[in-house]
Amino acid sequence: GENVEQHPSTLSVQEGDSAVIKCTYSDSASNYFPWYKQELGKRPQLIIDIRSNVGEKKDQRIAVTLNKTAKHFSLHITETQPEDSAVYFCASPTGRRALTFGSGTRLQVQP
Amino acid sequence: EAEVAQSPRYKITEKSQAVAFWCDPISGHATLYWYRQILGQGPELLVQFQDESVVDDSQLPKDRFSAERLKGVDSTLKIQPAELGDSAMYLCASSLGGNTEAFFGQGTRLTVV
Repeated sequence: GENVEQHPSTLSVQEGDSAVIKCTYSDSASNYFPWYKQELGKRPQLIIDIRSNVGEKKDQRIAVTLNKTAKHFSLHITETQPEDSAVYFCASPTGRRALTFGSGTRLQVQP
Repeated sequence: EAEVAQSPRYKITEKSQAVAFWCDPISGHATLYWYRQILGQGPELLVQFQDESVVDDSQLPKDRFSAERLKGVDSTLKIQPAELGDSAMYLCASSLGGNTEAFFGQGTRLTVV
């Protein structure tokens, strides 16, 4: 089955700095790569996703890049704000299967 | 805005007892998922439904867990008997299927004592 590895497990940055979270996946057939944000005590919510026909996607301060050859994808958050503090999960499906999630990255933005 | 509804939000049960969770997906979403999230970890799939059919239950501990979605709408996940290691957040999610966004419910936090 699909294996998704995520790092780092924790990340602390100063407000205004950039944050980068990286994931690798094992199934070369995977073609959809979402990122979810989970605030303490709340449900995971999609913040951005990318499909295998593009290499990069941006949405304001958030961007995701995909390298299908190397089988890794990354989340980039620029100009971080305290409200960006949360746990971030990458995910990837295999065919009709449900999403396999990474182990999560706890991002702490220091004011 | 449409949401995935789950109940109860919290459940405390004694080990060896039975417990059930309910999920009502977003209207029109044919695909429904049950995930288990242990504190500090990512969600792990327990079962996936497409309409009323099970697509994947390979990670469901079938000796004690069961799930159904009889009419292809709402779903119930049951544990009998509950064990201490079942303490976790149980998340339901739904989607239109394929590679589309999965929307999560608020979850049921289960504590087995």
